[in-house]
Amino acid sequence: DARVTQTPRHKVTEMGQEVTMRCQPILGHNTVFWYRQTMMQGLELLAYFRNRAPLDDSGMPKDRFSAEMPDATLATLKIQPSEPRDSAVYFCASGSGQPQHFGDGTRLSIL
Amino acid sequence: KQEVTQIPAALSVPEGENLVLNCSFTDSAIYNLQWFRQDPGKGLTSLLLIQSSQREQTSGRLNASLDKSSGRSTLYIAASQPGDSATYLCAVKTSYDKVIFGPGTSLSVIP
Repeated sequence: DARVTQTPRHKVTEMGQEVTMRCQPILGHNTVFWYRQTMMQGLELLAYFRNRAPLDDSGMPKDRFSAEMPDATLATLKIQPSEPRDSAVYFCASGSGQPQHFGDGTRLSIL
Repeated sequence: KQEVTQIPAALSVPEGENLVLNCSFTDSAIYNLQWFRQDPGKGLTSLLLIQSSQREQTSGRLNASLDKSSGRSTLYIAASQPGDSATYLCAVKTSYDKVIFGPGTSLSVIP
């Protein structure tokens, strides 16, 4: 079964540090999404790409977050500098149309 | 702005009971509606997808209905089992790529 793979699964770091989360989408999927899930806000779309081109990153705090897709097998989400309010579970999903297929997420804790 | 709500936030039922989960959305201009399941520490798994022109979809013990004009969808689970315990999220597609998620209903099925 093809799966979306996210690394790391867990990350604990101190505020001010750079955090990089990685996602390997399912081969052949042309759209990749980054979501953030918190108890307070639920699941929010941060950014997405189609055919590796960024289409919408309006959900991201642009001063500290950046999303890239250097090739078809890798998407990255970076936070620099990180803040305690960034603590959440970050999901990557990929698809060609619907449904989207989700990875198991990166659980991020900023101390 | 599209908003998606789900009632109840949590539900506990004895095994074997039939149950209904509710989803409401404020803007009826949707492409489709999906129901997802999320297990603890995992990503989302798509259960059912209803196109805006459809009224319902069925998969095994699951049946989802859609009333676009009233902004409502229900997920019916027949003969619930402990393995159905999870959080169930509905999501509406508002544009070619954007999906808005509800906050979820946490379901516990007691053996």
